[in-house]
Amino acid sequence: LAKTTQPISMDSYEGQEVNITCSHNNIATNDYITWYQQFPSQGPRFIIQGYKTKVTNEVASLFIPADRKSSTLSLPRVSLSDTAVYYCLVGDLWAAGNKLTFGGGTRVLVKP
Amino acid sequence: NAGVTQTPKFQVLKTGQSMTLQCAQDMNHNSMYWYRQDPGMGLRLIYYSASEGTTDKGEVPNGYNVSRLNKREFSLRLESAAPSQTSVYFCASSGLGQITQYFGPGTRLTVL
Repeated sequence: LAKTTQPISMDSYEGQEVNITCSHNNIATNDYITWYQQFPSQGPRFIIQGYKTKVTNEVASLFIPADRKSSTLSLPRVSLSDTAVYYCLVGDLWAAGNKLTFGGGTRVLVKP
Repeated sequence: NAGVTQTPKFQVLKTGQSMTLQCAQDMNHNSMYWYRQDPGMGLRLIYYSASEGTTDKGEVPNGYNVSRLNKREFSLRLESAAPSQTSVYFCASSGLGQITQYFGPGTRLTVL
């Protein structure tokens, strides 16, 4: 399983863009990159997933360079409710059981 | 469509007692997972079931047993609870060909 490294914490202010970079140097050819969000006392929630280049949905954008050894989650114009822990994971879509390794995540604090 | 449900939401046990945490999903997913999350930490995989009838150990299986009762249900049993098992337990499920896991609301367990 590819190991991921991401910053422990980040502070931001309402209305700013938050970019969280995740390093996954030993990502395998079949691995996809997925980001989850977790609020206190809740289970993680899927945000976005990608394989290469750029993916955008109503919540976030995911930028993946050509070598796929890192990825950047971009949260546009954050609000106080975006304060959460964000996890970057990599895994094979077709692997039996899709075991995922959650690291410590990045704690994002959005200030007024 | 309730997604992933877990019971109970809270539980307090004394050292040495046993209990079973229940998890059910109504999304017709093949794979199910049990994680634990200690305060301020990421999630660690205890056991998973890639498909009905199969179970495998994850990162921290000691002190736990699981049963994949049918496609919908996956239970986690603590035979002799220890204070080190105080944690929040999350159940998750994923479909075939999906890396996305859907999480339940969690069970907060305290072992005295």
